Amino acid sequence: DAKTTQPNSMESNEEEPVHLPCNHSTISGTDYIHWYRQLPSQGPEYVIHGLTSNVNNRMASLAIAEDRKSSTLILHRATLRDAAVYYCILLRETSGSRLTFGEGTQLTVNP
Amino acid sequence: KAGVTQTPRYLIKTRGQQVTLSCSPISGHRSVSWYQQTPGQGLQFLFEYFSETQRNKGNFPGRFSGRQFSNSRSEMNVSTLELGDSALYLCASSLWGGFNQPQHFGDGTRLSIL
Repeated sequence: DAKTTQPNSMESNEEEPVHLPCNHSTISGTDYIHWYRQLPSQGPEYVIHGLTSNVNNRMASLAIAEDRKSSTLILHRATLRDAAVYYCILLRETSGSRLTFGEGTQLTVNP
Repeated sequence: KAGVTQTPRYLIKTRGQQVTLSCSPISGHRSVSWYQQTPGQGLQFLFEYFSETQRNKGNFPGRFSGRQFSNSRSEMNVSTLELGDSALYLCASSLWGGFNQPQHFGDGTRLSIL
C-alpha cells in the first residue's frame, strides 16, 4: 500500500477546530483515504473515508486535495474526548480489509 | 445498534496453553477481521473471515487460527502460547469487507502470557 506521512503530534484547545494533515504523494487513482483514531485503552475507531470528493459525517470532515496527494481531517469543535492517536491510511483493492497503521498523529486537546 | 463485542476483555495464560477469543460483529456485518496490537509491532493483521470462509491471512504462524459461524460470530484460537503472544487482540467487522468500507472495532481482548 502507498505510504502516508503525518505529524507526530498536534495540540488544540477545546471547542476550537482542528486540522490534521496527511501527505500521500504516491497515492494511486483507486486508493481510498481512510482515517481511524484510537483512544487510550480502546480499540481503533473509524472516523471517515473518501476517494476524491470532500466528505462529511457526524464526526468529522475530510478535505481531499485536488491532486489527491494530501488530505486533511477536520474536527470542527474539538472536545477532550477527541484526544487520541489519529491514523491516515490508504487502501486499494488488493488491500482488502487489511488495515496497517503507521505512527499516526497524537492529538492533545487542552481544556 | 450494538457495536462489536469481544470476550473476554482480559485473559492471563501460561506458556504452552491454548486460548480461544470470541467476537460478535455488528448485526448484519458478514466480514470479521482479527488483529494483534503490541507497542513494538503496532497493528498487525491476522486474518479475515467472510461467510464462514477465511478470505485473507496475514503472516502469523499456524498456531493462530480462526473460524466464523453461520451467524457471523467469529472465534480466534492460539495454541501453544508463547511469551511473545502477549498483546491486545482486536476484532473488526464490516458489511462485506473490502477497501472502500469502514471497519468497526471492538475494545479487544488483552492477553497476558506468564
